[in-house]
Amino acid sequence: EAGVVQSPRYKIIEKKQPVAFWCNPISGHNTLYWYRQNLGQGPELLIRYENEEAVDDSQLPKDRFSAERLKGVDSTLKIQPAELGDSAVYLCASSSRQVGNTIYFGEGSWLTVV
Amino acid sequence: QQQVKQSPQSLIVQKGGISIINCAYENTAFDYFPWYQQFPGKGPALLIAIRPDVSEKKEGRFTISFNKSAKQFSLHIMDSQPGDSATYFCAASKGSNYQLIWGAGTKLIIKP
Repeated sequence: EAGVVQSPRYKIIEKKQPVAFWCNPISGHNTLYWYRQNLGQGPELLIRYENEEAVDDSQLPKDRFSAERLKGVDSTLKIQPAELGDSAVYLCASSSRQVGNTIYFGEGSWLTVV
Repeated sequence: QQQVKQSPQSLIVQKGGISIINCAYENTAFDYFPWYQQFPGKGPALLIAIRPDVSEKKEGRFTISFNKSAKQFSLHIMDSQPGDSATYFCAASKGSNYQLIWGAGTKLIIKP
């Protein structure tokens, strides 16, 4: 079974430019998460979806970050405009009540803002 | 009250030794305590998890010990191997709330 797939794996952009990350969760997983992980720290939840509904976006900086999960499967996370402090790894994860709620992570999208 | 405190920040263990990482929490409503293992360039992967109705759970060389009264839990890696070198995160959550509260991580190095 394929895991959580993310793209791009690496992205370098200049500040003030936009960037978008894409995630394909494990098939059948209705819950999807976007996390941000800074170097040497644990993941920080940005947003959680139950199917296509964003049920927890309290940590998403809404002035520059946006996310969508159309049709309740794939998801995109966008940053516009990017700032130097946005340099981090953006992790997508998914889970399902039917298989014990274990959260499975993708390999992450590494963003460097210069 | 939402914090999970993890220690040590880094740990060096000789091959074959026991690696021990500790976590403490404050919120007594937490009822799910997973440990994640993360290799460089990879996302975290669930290693082992425990619920507070048991005091210990063992899977191969990995054991979680849970002390409900002290609000502490720990990961023990027996016969540590160089391939165990990674960053380990403890976490906690409550009920059907899937928002994991993460520890700060422990960078483990196993010396050959």
